[in-house]
Amino acid sequence: NAGVTQTPKFQVLKTGQSMTLQCAQDMNHNSMYWYRQDPGMGLRLIYYSASEGTTDKGEVPNGYNVSRLNKREFSLRLESAAPSQTSVYFCASTSGLHNEQFFGPGTRLTVL
Amino acid sequence: EDQVTQSPEALRLQEGESSSLNCSYTVSGLRGLFWYRQDPGKGPEFLFTLYSAGEEKEKERLKATLTKKESFLHITAPKPEDSATYLCAVQRFLNFNKFYFGSGTKLNVKP
Repeated sequence: NAGVTQTPKFQVLKTGQSMTLQCAQDMNHNSMYWYRQDPGMGLRLIYYSASEGTTDKGEVPNGYNVSRLNKREFSLRLESAAPSQTSVYFCASTSGLHNEQFFGPGTRLTVL
Repeated sequence: EDQVTQSPEALRLQEGESSSLNCSYTVSGLRGLFWYRQDPGKGPEFLFTLYSAGEEKEKERLKATLTKKESFLHITAPKPEDSATYLCAVQRFLNFNKFYFGSGTKLNVKP
């Protein structure tokens, strides 16, 4: 089992460019999440998907879109990147039964 | 407003020097409180879930406890390999798909 995988690991963008962060899990989990982590601010929820076919906003959704492609995959898209979106992005999943979240290794994104 | 506050922000201990990390929360209708460990450059790793006041969970040198307002992560005789950032998160009964994280405590254990 690979658990939760994320691509890419690192990315540098220029202001205004777009990109998609990919996330996949092989644990047959129902719920998937996207967080961003900034120094001193902990993890903040961007979007989540409670089950295949549904997505909902978290605390900081502005500037992002998501797609739950199937039960395994949940992608995060930045349509027009801004320097304020420089952060480390984590994808997570949970079965919904025991509630503990399993996290991917993260994507470190820099927007110049 | 729901809040999760962790203290201290950073903690330096000598190897073998026991201490506690605090996670206080103001959340109505707590469903669960979670502790995670995060090593530099990696994603958080699950440690414990606590569901009700008075509950305790242990794993090696770590013990987590829960009251109605806060949780403690007690570290007994820590070793350098316990150095990491420890995060707590809460989950409400209302919309239990969301988790609210504190900003973490960075623990450094010196040999």
